[in-house]
Amino acid sequence: TQLLEQSPQFLSIQEGENLTVYCNSSSVFSSLQWYRQEPGEGPVLLVTVVTGGEVKKLKRLTFQFGDARKDSSLHITAAQPGDTGLYLCAGAKSGYALNFGKGTSLLVTP
Amino acid sequence: DAGITQSPRHKVTETGTPVTLRCHQTENHRYMYWYRQDPGHGLRLIHYSYGVKDTDKGEVSDGYSVSRSKTEDFLLTLESATSSQTSVYFCAINPDGPNYGYTFGSGTRLTVV
Repeated sequence: TQLLEQSPQFLSIQEGENLTVYCNSSSVFSSLQWYRQEPGEGPVLLVTVVTGGEVKKLKRLTFQFGDARKDSSLHITAAQPGDTGLYLCAGAKSGYALNFGKGTSLLVTP
Repeated sequence: DAGITQSPRHKVTETGTPVTLRCHQTENHRYMYWYRQDPGHGLRLIHYSYGVKDTDKGEVSDGYSVSRSKTEDFLLTLESATSSQTSVYFCAINPDGPNYGYTFGSGTRLTVV
């Protein structure tokens, strides 16, 4: 059973468009993280959100943690080809390890 | 420069042979993890360690064992490799539990033939 569901699974857009990726669960998390992974490399942490309703911005990326701490979204404004990659959300519950979603594969074409 | 290295980066092995993957960190982090990444399944936890000689199983631990005799090294052993263990294996480190971000290694691509 997948604890975190990400949507969409695939996304292909043109440079300059906006997009939103969703990460949903029926479970409550103490924190939620977003990672970006490029081919042949390990995931790289983008952000950690901890408080329900929290919004964090990283340049053109905006991350939001749901009020109930069960879901999160990632919004990219004016996407660029350099944003291409696999975006993973991961949630921390009790215990020592993160649970990962399956990821959203984003392709931004010039 | 990330302070975590995995070896080897690529390996091809035959069914039934034992295989050991190594994760080495220079960050002195307490927590270390092994995940496998497969199409359609995402990242799944195999084993993790919360200190020297302190390890526990993840959701896909069958057929795998781990050892951590030093803070800096976390070894993953496939006791008798099977084709279903063909995957990309990632090690990750973390200073103080899952609420803190992971730093991942670059992965080991393992093919079992």
